[in-house]
Amino acid sequence: QQPVQSPQAVILREGEDAVINCSSSKALYSVHWYRQKHGEAPIFLMILLKGGEQKGHDKISASFNEKKQQSSLYLTASQLSYSGTYFCGTVTDSWGKLQFGAGTQVVVTP
Amino acid sequence: EAQVTQNPRYLITVTGKKLTVTCSQNMNHEYMSWYRQDPGLGLRQIYYSMNVEVTDKGDVPEGYKVSRKEKRNFPLILESPSPNQTSLYFCASSLSLNSPLHFGNGTRLTVT
Repeated sequence: QQPVQSPQAVILREGEDAVINCSSSKALYSVHWYRQKHGEAPIFLMILLKGGEQKGHDKISASFNEKKQQSSLYLTASQLSYSGTYFCGTVTDSWGKLQFGAGTQVVVTP
Repeated sequence: EAQVTQNPRYLITVTGKKLTVTCSQNMNHEYMSWYRQDPGLGLRQIYYSMNVEVTDKGDVPEGYKVSRKEKRNFPLILESPSPNQTSLYFCASSLSLNSPLHFGNGTRLTVT
């Protein structure tokens, strides 16, 4: 079953913060985060591994709550370049499935 | 340049005419996977391959076949395409399941 992302969409002004959540119905081995611009392929942001620490990339960071089977992506002091659709991908076993959520569309306005 | 190459980028075909979408990576990656992307549904996994010996179904494998005869190539085969297979397809590869996925540029398929 695909992970559930929320919200579906968010509109921000430059400099504002946002949180995107990703929930799984199964225990998580790892969580991937990607961003996709319109008409392009998804681009890797970060991976959080079971038992690992919170990751960060510039002003984008993420957390992984194993007990709640959730991950959250934090967009801090958003920039125009943060606009796009964000996908979480979850790995719930070691057999090879990497399932993505439906995506969260982020629009950052001047 | 390290990359995942998909061909063709665009394809229009008719119902029932067999087609193959090729995918090749030059990064010596073990893991390869195919996804389809439809509005509102995100990326849904069709097939994946952990290595040349292990290939398995994803969440939406019906109507598709794959082949992993060598590490670098992972073609997607539609034996008898139908209009509900009209979609944007992405091939992706990574060193392992817990490594970053590298995506190809996508193939936009239209089946009439």
